[in-house]
Amino acid sequence: SQQGEEDPQALSIQEGENATMNCSYKTSINNLQWYRQNSGRGLVHLILIRSNEREKHSGRLRVTLDTSKKSSSLLITASRAADTASYFCATGRGNTPLVFGKGTRLSVIA
Amino acid sequence: GAVVSQHPSRVICKSGTSVKIECRSLDFQATTMFWYRQFPKQSLMLMATSNEGSKATYEQGVEKDKFLINHASLTLSTLTVTSAHPEDSSFYICSVTGGGRSYEQYFGPGTRLTVT
Repeated sequence: SQQGEEDPQALSIQEGENATMNCSYKTSINNLQWYRQNSGRGLVHLILIRSNEREKHSGRLRVTLDTSKKSSSLLITASRAADTASYFCATGRGNTPLVFGKGTRLSVIA
Repeated sequence: GAVVSQHPSRVICKSGTSVKIECRSLDFQATTMFWYRQFPKQSLMLMATSNEGSKATYEQGVEKDKFLINHASLTLSTLTVTSAHPEDSSFYICSVTGGGRSYEQYFGPGTRLTVT
């Protein structure tokens, strides 16, 4: 069953602005991962945050994790048109298969 | 991370025929691979877990006789869609797990199946 729920479902911003996407989940996890998917393409792994971590950075990406609220956020700073894609959070426990959220469709307008 | 390939990338077939999709782990011995399905503008839904040398574990609602999975080696898992129907048209994606404590999954590029 699907666990993650992304919010918002769709987001449209101007180039240069920051984009924030949120993800909530239901059960206990030991890691949460964010992926990007361009239309009709495969998944690109963006970042993994473990349950004992609260924040992680990778380039223009910043991910937070609040296990008490069972939520995570992905912030993309200084967005570019090339960031236009769908973004999914996925939760994992050990090496069990990831459970994906419904995704946020981000459109960055040049 | 592991490099995962899928073949074919796109396939169009007629109703009633069977289609085989291959998932290869090119640089990593994967005892476990996962198969997901993604309908347009929707998320990935896990179909089954493919275990090398044993039977696959299917998720609830996924027909094992329709979606045949074979994981005969540590680098190859195949998904065969038997007697395909138009409603089977979807994007099929496989992944391999890093194993140990890496927790990351590495995804193939996906296969777009269109059943006419």
